Amino acid sequence: QKEVEQDPGPLSVPEGAIVSLNCTYSNSAFQYFMWYRQYSRKGPELLMYTYSSGNKEDGRFTAQVDKSSKYISLFIRDSQPSDSATYLCAMSAKYNQGGKLIFGQGTELSVKP
Amino acid sequence: DAGVTQSPTHLIKTRGQQVTLRCSPKSGHDTVSWYQQALGQGPQFIFQYYEEEERQRGNFPDRFSGHQFPNYSSELNVNALLLGDSALYLCASRGDRGRSYEQYFGPGTRLTVT
Repeated sequence: QKEVEQDPGPLSVPEGAIVSLNCTYSNSAFQYFMWYRQYSRKGPELLMYTYSSGNKEDGRFTAQVDKSSKYISLFIRDSQPSDSATYLCAMSAKYNQGGKLIFGQGTELSVKP
Repeated sequence: DAGVTQSPTHLIKTRGQQVTLRCSPKSGHDTVSWYQQALGQGPQFIFQYYEEEERQRGNFPDRFSGHQFPNYSSELNVNALLLGDSALYLCASRGDRGRSYEQYFGPGTRLTVT
């Protein structure tokens, strides 16, 4: 079993839709949770960063962490064609002191005009 | 403010050869990590360098080695290349001032082993 599970998709939505992306994990030591966006043949770009449980909002993006369920989500409101990319969740345990990130497989998102 | 830079962009090697990839961290960052991303997969942690020493290592064989220089730039070396080493190699940097757990990635070096 992988430490981080993420549905690879692909996920296709119409422009303006609300998108929900999710990851589950098994390691209860994970404390730091990140979402990265990766365009084709590019490096991952940090979108959101959350420590422990709770919600964090940044513009059209909202990240949620539920440590009791070992489940994290990223919501994208009013999705745009420019949001079409692969979204990667990543996690780190405090004992790794911010070093080793464990990634999900990535979810491929396509937003159709 | 320059972000993380990597060179070369693309590289083609044959089995058994050796390769060196290079990374310059984001300005103000002193810690560099390397990741391997196979097609359709998430990045996998290779190792991390801080103060010119390897601090953490993932589940990669000794054929993978690295170095960090006094200016914080880093190299990844892979010896005795295998076909399975074909991947996108990503460098990520972070700093210890404030938000030290956020890592920023470069564009990657795409390595093809034939």
